Amino acid sequence: EIVLTQSPGTLSLSPGERATLSCRASQSVSSTYLAWYQQKPGQAPRLLIYGASSRATGIPDRFSGSGSGTDFTLTISRLEPEDFAVYYCQHYYSLPLTFGQGTKVE
Amino acid sequence: QVQLVESGGGVVQPGRSLRLSCAASGFTFRSYGMQWVRLAPGKGLDCVAIIWYDGSNMYYGDSVKGRFTISRDNSKNMVYLQMNSLRVEDTAVYYCARVIGNNPHWYFDLWGRGTLVTVSS
Repeated sequence: EIVLTQSPGTLSLSPGERATLSCRASQSVSSTYLAWYQQKPGQAPRLLIYGASSRATGIPDRFSGSGSGTDFTLTISRLEPEDFAVYYCQHYYSLPLTFGQGTKVE
Repeated sequence: QVQLVESGGGVVQPGRSLRLSCAASGFTFRSYGMQWVRLAPGKGLDCVAIIWYDGSNMYYGDSVKGRFTISRDNSKNMVYLQMNSLRVEDTAVYYCARVIGNNPHWYFDLWGRGTLVTVSS
């Protein structure tokens, strides 16, 4: 099983600041098989990034993904009030599919 | 409106059963695989079960294999999760999600809001 470790656990920032979230895999998931999701309390998770760097439909361009192999990053260039949420990474390289534990941006 | 709506959660005793439902709307349901994912208190997201677009095949996470069964009815745009022999550790919010990709390279582009299952005596 591929373990995904997200850091930091919590990121305390202000609107307008840049957020950098890390996701590290216990083994390579190539440059293709990593996704990022956003979840707000009481809401459905939302797909942000797939293929490590492709934005999902309707996702603002302040969200960007990068990385390959075992190290991936989600960057929010300038935080908007609606971006304060929990973010999860997920690999889809092999079964079982797994998620990271999440990073809370507060 | 493109959406998934889960139902059927509640409080149940250990060892008992519960059936969750997920109603899909706004898209061609029969063209997509579907998944149940759960989020337990203090833990990360956990893939529970996936069913192919035509119901021909299923995949289960190790923690639920032999106890949970995923099924679908493409005529009703519904996907189900039959949960038997429930354990305290199955307590979680259960989400229905639409699957994108080909086995095993799946990610999830549409999610419901979830339904809470609490297993407690």
